[in-house]
Amino acid sequence: DARVTQTPRHKVTEMGQEVTMRCQPILGHNTVFWYRQTMMQGLELLAYFRNRAPLDDSGMPKDRFSAEMPDATLATLKIQPSEPRDSAVYFCASGLISTASGGRVNFGPGTRLTVL
Amino acid sequence: AQTVTQSQPEMSVQEAETVTLSCTYDTSESDYYLFWYKQPPSRQMILVIRQEAYKQQNATENRFSVNFQKAAKSFSLKISDSQLGDAAMYFCAYRSAKNTDKLIFGTGTRLQVFP
Repeated sequence: DARVTQTPRHKVTEMGQEVTMRCQPILGHNTVFWYRQTMMQGLELLAYFRNRAPLDDSGMPKDRFSAEMPDATLATLKIQPSEPRDSAVYFCASGLISTASGGRVNFGPGTRLTVL
Repeated sequence: AQTVTQSQPEMSVQEAETVTLSCTYDTSESDYYLFWYKQPPSRQMILVIRQEAYKQQNATENRFSVNFQKAAKSFSLKISDSQLGDAAMYFCAYRSAKNTDKLIFGTGTRLQVFP
């Protein structure tokens, strides 16, 4: 069974530090999403890519967050500098999406980030 | 903008019984997809069931089935013969069939299963 993988699974850091989260989407999937889950806001879409090109990052605080796909097997989400309010679980998801079909979206296990 | 509402923050069911989780959504589109995701304590998001809006037949996956009422914009999940392993957060989600790809989630329903 192909799976989306994320590293690290857990990260504890101090305020002001840079945090990099990595995701390996399922081979062949053309769309990669980054979601954030908090108790207060629930699941929020931060950004997503199609064929490695960023399509929408309107959900992401631009001043400190950045998302990239350096190649088809790697997506990264960086926070610099991190703040306590960034503490959340960050999910990467991938899917084979086209205008012709819905496509299933597979989620990774998430990265639990704690910023002290 | 589309919204998804889950009005039951918590539900409970006895093992082997049936439980229904509610979900309503708001959209002006006619073509879209609806999903139920399960999130156990491990936090993994697991797709339970998927429904295309253009299909009148309700989707079924083993013990899980949906009651899709397009006119009422309602999409409830029925779990039959509940098992202890069904205990989890359940999220209803909407996705437009247009090329926007965003999954819009409800706030979730926590399901407890009692032996």
